[in-house]
Amino acid sequence: QVQLVESGGGVVQPGRSLRLSCAASGFTFSSYGMHWVRQAPGKGLEWVAVISYDGSNKYYADSVKGRFTISRDNSKNTLYLQMNSLRAEDTAVYYCAKDHLYRVVGAPGGYWGQGTLVTVSS
Amino acid sequence: ETTLTQSPAFMSATPGDKVNISCKASQDIDDDMNWYQQKPGEAAIFIIQEATTLVPGISPRFSGSGYGTDFTLTINNIESEDAAYYFCLQHDNFPLTFGGGTKVEIK
Repeated sequence: QVQLVESGGGVVQPGRSLRLSCAASGFTFSSYGMHWVRQAPGKGLEWVAVISYDGSNKYYADSVKGRFTISRDNSKNTLYLQMNSLRAEDTAVYYCAKDHLYRVVGAPGGYWGQGTLVTVSS
Repeated sequence: ETTLTQSPAFMSATPGDKVNISCKASQDIDDDMNWYQQKPGEAAIFIIQEATTLVPGISPRFSGSGYGTDFTLTINNIESEDAAYYFCLQHDNFPLTFGGGTKVEIK
């Protein structure tokens, strides 16, 4: 069965960096785009970034563009989110999600991880 | 950026009711609209894709309609287990954007 397991969250000071990972299993990872979606405490969902199945295309929310970098290692079935220059407003649960389309960049589909909490605080 | 205006923000329903949730896009997005259900402390569940297609495994009490700028999620014969937040998302253009969400309470 499809499994997505995020890791790397924690408490970090403003201005510092953190890298999240998402280990995927149960499907052909190299055939699907992957997304990061976040949810600040008590708030709605915010799409963060997507990477195409082969890593050739990447798109970001305006709120993270230039600070966050999405990447993937298809040999390790792992998705990453490098977060630099973190701000208090980046505090959220971060979810990775498998795209709902095959080999086309679409939207987060039916498989999400359990989420990892990132807290940016001094 | 496409803004999605979701309404209402909150609604209370009685078991057996029919519930409609609206999502209006600030520009034409064809049928590139998905709907998600989320319960507190859990990841979102994908329920409708491409505006009208029920995701496999989702109850047929859920349905979606709309095209262009106006979309609706309908829950027929609502049940207590449907109490949750519901979000729309457009994937017509980047950045992808979510609606603000609708909290559905069951009386």
